[in-house]
Amino acid sequence: SYVLTQPPSVSVAPGQTAKITCGGNNLGSYSVHWYQQKPGQAPVLVISDDSTRASGIPKRFSGSYSGSTATLTISRVEAGDEADYYCQVWVGGGVFGGGTKLTVL
Amino acid sequence: EAHLVESGGGLVQPGGSLRLSCAASGFDFNRFAMSWVRQAPGKGLEWVSSISARGGGTDYADSVQGRFTISRDNSKNAVYLQMKSLRADDTALYYCAKYNLGDEGGDAFNIWGQGTMVTVSS
Repeated sequence: SYVLTQPPSVSVAPGQTAKITCGGNNLGSYSVHWYQQKPGQAPVLVISDDSTRASGIPKRFSGSYSGSTATLTISRVEAGDEADYYCQVWVGGGVFGGGTKLTVL
Repeated sequence: EAHLVESGGGLVQPGGSLRLSCAASGFDFNRFAMSWVRQAPGKGLEWVSSISARGGGTDYADSVQGRFTISRDNSKNAVYLQMKSLRADDTALYYCAKYNLGDEGGDAFNIWGQGTMVTVSS
């Protein structure tokens, strides 16, 4: 089965830039979606199809792809961005990465 | 505004059955494929099943294939998940999720419910 690999955690100071990566075999062949999940809440779509910001998502959030790695970039990080972030693709069914906990120092 | 509300979760013994429901509102339900996604306590997200907009196409994760059945009733704006032969590792919060653009494969989930908890334990 297909595997998406994310770092378990990323830490960043307020105002800095956070980069969360998502790797997978031949990932460029698939559209990557990103979700934010805060504690006790349902996931929220942040980025669809590699780089399209979802409705209501600030421009500080962007998605990109290079090689076999997709990246969610959060510029000018705020305390409210602290959450778990998941990447997702469709390969023989829905596949989610293991999630990355973003800590704002 | 699009809204999803799950119900039907609860405590069930191993080997038992449960039927989850998801009530949709605020969008043209019969234009969009729907999915169930679950999250075990303290763990990540796991896709469970999807159903096409008209219900003619379904798909399942290997972990639930043959035990779970997804269905929908477009006249009631509802999607269901019938779960049988439940196991301890099916314990999770089950979310209902709407496809972003319609009925196309590869789509994102742009609307999620708050989830309904299923606990499988004796």
